[in-house]
Amino acid sequence: DGGITQSPKYLFRKEGQNVTLSCEQNLNHDAMYWYRQDPGQGLRLIYYSQIVNDFQKGDIAEGYSVSREKKESFPLTVTSAQKNPTAFYLCASSGGPGQINQPQHFGDGTRLSIL
Amino acid sequence: AQSVTQLGSHVSVSEGALVLLRCNYSSSVPPYLFWYVQYPNQGLQLLLKYTSAATLVKGINGFEAEFKKSETSFHLTKPSAHMSDAAEYFCAVSDERGSYIPTFGRGTSLIVHP
Repeated sequence: DGGITQSPKYLFRKEGQNVTLSCEQNLNHDAMYWYRQDPGQGLRLIYYSQIVNDFQKGDIAEGYSVSREKKESFPLTVTSAQKNPTAFYLCASSGGPGQINQPQHFGDGTRLSIL
Repeated sequence: AQSVTQLGSHVSVSEGALVLLRCNYSSSVPPYLFWYVQYPNQGLQLLLKYTSAATLVKGINGFEAEFKKSETSFHLTKPSAHMSDAAEYFCAVSDERGSYIPTFGRGTSLIVHP
């Protein structure tokens, strides 16, 4: 079955530590996205990538970094510069350029908490 | 810039009653519109999408939505609520000017009473 796999499901971060959230898709989608979800605030875009080796900042990129070395993978690093990282993080993918009206597919999320 | 407003952070209905979740959008060009559902501790699943074909869109689980350009609305309805419909619902819009990156509303939590 095609889909998006996020790991781990739960993650804990110590002060001053960087942590990396994994996102892998086997849908052959060009575009991938990272969202942060906080209660009552909906989904806020952190970073997105529409093609391998290229990515763009979203609305709340400060304190986060990404890479897109392979089409299937789009890991998100939450750095120590992100002072309030506790949230639910969602990864999504979509067809990308040429498939503009296609909806996004989502992973099941990673819940990050501060120790 | 595109935007989405979902009226009501919580909507409460009785089982068997009509479900109406409101979504208004702002877009200066023809939009693509989506409704997603999220169950606790899970990702979002697509319920239905509007992509400039029929204005009345039917989705999964008995949900449907009507695109009304004059009202810039895309409200989600279901004739009869089931307990299993209790979840968070998100409306999203994308368009050419936003590079087709979707913008999401803040979500509406649907509560279904027995």
